[in-house]
Amino acid sequence: QVQLQESGPGLVKPSETLSLTCTVSGGSISSYYWSWIRQPAGKGLEWIGRIYTSGSTNYNPSLKSRVTMSVDTSKNQFSLKLSSVTAADTAVYYCARVDSGRIWAENWFDPWGQGTLVTVSS
Amino acid sequence: DIQMTQSPSSLSASVGDRVTITCRASQSISSYLNWYQQKPGKAPKLLIYAASSLQSGVPSRFSGSGSGTDFTLTISSLQPEDFATYYCQQSYSTPPLFTFGPGTKVDIK
Repeated sequence: QVQLQESGPGLVKPSETLSLTCTVSGGSISSYYWSWIRQPAGKGLEWIGRIYTSGSTNYNPSLKSRVTMSVDTSKNQFSLKLSSVTAADTAVYYCARVDSGRIWAENWFDPWGQGTLVTVSS
Repeated sequence: DIQMTQSPSSLSASVGDRVTITCRASQSISSYLNWYQQKPGKAPKLLIYAASSLQSGVPSRFSGSGSGTDFTLTISSLQPEDFATYYCQQSYSTPPLFTFGPGTKVDIK
């Protein structure tokens, strides 16, 4: 059974770069898309982007200028960097596998990591 | 961008009740609609994918229907463990821009 675990600093200063890593266990990272999703306290879910194991990426246009995702297949990990953070980036950050159906547009998130809270504050 | 709305935003129900949650897309998304359940402090859990397919391990009291712009999630007989927030999510956009609905909170009457 595939499991995901986020890791990284829980506190980031304004204007700095948020860096998180998701470690995949119980299965290979290969041949899947992997996503980052965030949720501010008491609010809804926002998709940040996805990365394929080849390194191909798609980002949410609202964050695209600040987001970089990367993958390390040798470590079964993928990562998120979000630059120039502000208080508005304070949220629980989840990593998730993008599972797919037979049709290209059938995409859903399963499983998810437990999430990690990142607070942006000086 | 495709906008997702859900109604109601919250509801109160009793154990055993039949509960229906609606999700509407701002344009047709065919059947590319998924449903998740989230409990406080936990990650979302996939319930339904492709509008009506039940994820493995999810109780059969959960069902999904709809296509185009209007979708529903139905819980046929609400159980104590079903009190949670439910989100819909579309995957139709090209290039990919997966968007979620604002959520529907189901609590105890």
